[in-house]
Amino acid sequence: GQNIDQPTEMTATEGAIVQINCTYQTSGFNGLFWYQQHAGEAPTFLSYNVLDGLEEKGRFSSFLSRSKGYSYLLLKELQMKDSASYLCAVPQPGGSTLGRLYFGRGTQLTVWP
Amino acid sequence: NAGVTQTPKFQVLKTGQSMTLQCAQDMNHEYMSWYRQDPGMGLRLIHYSVGAGITDQGEVPNGYNVSRSTTEDFPLRLLSAAPSQTSVYFCASSSPRTGSSYEQYFGPGTRLTVT
Repeated sequence: GQNIDQPTEMTATEGAIVQINCTYQTSGFNGLFWYQQHAGEAPTFLSYNVLDGLEEKGRFSSFLSRSKGYSYLLLKELQMKDSASYLCAVPQPGGSTLGRLYFGRGTQLTVWP
Repeated sequence: NAGVTQTPKFQVLKTGQSMTLQCAQDMNHEYMSWYRQDPGMGLRLIHYSVGAGITDQGEVPNGYNVSRSTTEDFPLRLLSAAPSQTSVYFCASSSPRTGSSYEQYFGPGTRLTVT
């Protein structure tokens, strides 16, 4: 089966750095996704990691360790608009990477001024 | 490009009623999926399709039917609505042709309440 664990809630201050962790268990690893979801809106894609290491994209970076079943999303220079839910997801086994994601329950990040 | 569109945005049904949630995409994506999102539960896959005429079940398919007669449209049918189907429903599409990111594009969602 599959399992994803991520913290339910986190808080941070504007301008700070926050790291959101995700541990996963899946058969046939085929990459890990991070999505951002603002309240009342649809999820939007942030990153996809399939190899170990850190990938940086502006203020957001995503790290993957396949041997540890671990990923994190690093948000730098936090802004109020970063207050959202951050969803960790892996492709479901037995099929394509596309269209069949298993999501964690999400981490609700609140950024305070 | 409108991207992924869903109708209606909001719907209230009585127990036992049936209805169809519409989803359309104009990006010529092969892959389309339906998810439901409940408070504290994350997104769960209901059904998905890898192309016109091909559909398969996800994690929580019971009580839902889908069909994919065209590349653009992927409607989700509730056969006999139950209060347990009160949820927010998201449709998503993706394509291997969009590069290596395998990004899924989500529609704005349909908020369904079953009383």
